Amino acid sequence: EVLLVESGGGLVQPGGSLKVSCATSGFTVSNNYMTWVRQAPGKGLEWVSIISSGGRTDYADSVKGRFTISRDNSKNTLSLQMNSLRAEDTAVYYCARVVGATDYLDNWGQGTLVTVSS
Amino acid sequence: DIQMTQSPAALSASVGDRVTITCRASQSVGYYLNWYQQKPGKAPKLLIYAASSLQSEVPSRFSGSGSGTDFTLTISSLHPEDLATYYCQQTYTTPRSTFGQGTKLEIK
Repeated sequence: EVLLVESGGGLVQPGGSLKVSCATSGFTVSNNYMTWVRQAPGKGLEWVSIISSGGRTDYADSVKGRFTISRDNSKNTLSLQMNSLRAEDTAVYYCARVVGATDYLDNWGQGTLVTVSS
Repeated sequence: DIQMTQSPAALSASVGDRVTITCRASQSVGYYLNWYQQKPGKAPKLLIYAASSLQSEVPSRFSGSGSGTDFTLTISSLHPEDLATYYCQQTYTTPRSTFGQGTKLEIK
């Protein structure tokens, strides 16, 4: 069974940093594209970042230069390091596995809430 | 950037109704269009990929159609558990992607 479990969310002050993680089981993270999607309170889904099986990364313009996606192959986990956080980064952050010819997200974690506030 | 526009933003329907949700892309995305269902307080769940392929274990009352710029998600006979917000996603610009703004489905 494929499982993804996010952790690390919490309250952080504007300008601060936070790292959220996604523990996985049932598949090998390094063999898949993995992505982060966020959802601000009461709002829709927003794509944030992706890492390919080869290690290439990409970011939404809204987070480029501030967020870093990475993976730990030995622990089969995905992470998102978030620096210079802003109030508008407040959201539930979901990790998801990317598969298929049309890069659909077939399995999602339950999400972790990041709140940026003073 | 490709913009995805869903309509309607919200709708209310009765159990047994046929429900149709539309997603329009600002430029052609081919068949690189996926649909997700998000129930209140839960993570999104994949329903349809590649515009019309039903994800495993998703009820057959859900179907998708379209290509290019215009896509449709149809629920042939609404069930009470279909209360949710539905999102389309284009992955034509992979690795980047964009979601529609969502359609909130309420049960009368």
